[in-house]
Amino acid sequence: DQQVKQNSPSLSVQEGRISILNCDYTNSMFDYFLWYKKYPAEGPTFLISISSIKDKNEDGRFTVFLNKSAKHLSLHIVPSQPGDSAVYFCAASSSNSGYALNFGKGTSLLVTP
Amino acid sequence: DAMVIQNPRYQVTQFGKPVTLSCSQTLNHNVMYWYQQKSSQAPKLLFHYYDKDFNNEADTPDNFQSRRPNTSFCFLDIRSPGLGDAAMYLCATSRHLDRGPEETQYFGPGTRLLVL
Repeated sequence: DQQVKQNSPSLSVQEGRISILNCDYTNSMFDYFLWYKKYPAEGPTFLISISSIKDKNEDGRFTVFLNKSAKHLSLHIVPSQPGDSAVYFCAASSSNSGYALNFGKGTSLLVTP
Repeated sequence: DAMVIQNPRYQVTQFGKPVTLSCSQTLNHNVMYWYQQKSSQAPKLLFHYYDKDFNNEADTPDNFQSRRPNTSFCFLDIRSPGLGDAAMYLCATSRHLDRGPEETQYFGPGTRLLVL
């Protein structure tokens, strides 16, 4: 039962443009959301997170937006750079099981020069 | 650099032959996790250790066991691997079980297990 869904397996964006990665969730108990980035042959690395008390969190070129009513979050990367090419995983957790991360299947982003 | 190390990076085993995957960390974190990621699937938490306290996820098969002899090392034992256990196994650590960017999970590069 996949509670976190990333419906786009891949995305291609030109360098300098905006990349938008989407994530949907089904469990209304989720109240903390994270994005991880994974390069080939490396483990996922934490990128940015957002608590359900917020609807936006920004860190440099990366911004995460949360729409609780739609159970949807998105990661915006602007401007996109070739080094951003990686697999991006969305993850969510709930206060009831604070440590347990529920991951999506990932979206492979390719930023072309 | 402080990091999470997984050895070997690739492991081939025979159907039914016990296999052990290794994880070590230099972060001195209290918590160590094991995730299973099958091809094109999301990483799935199998279990975690908080110090010496072991916590199994409800749907983790009995075939999977874990040992944590000290803070730095954690092992994943698969007693009788089946073809369906072929996957990437990711080890992760965190300082505590709290949530927040300060308590993020740090992942190793993974061990890809092939079952023949």
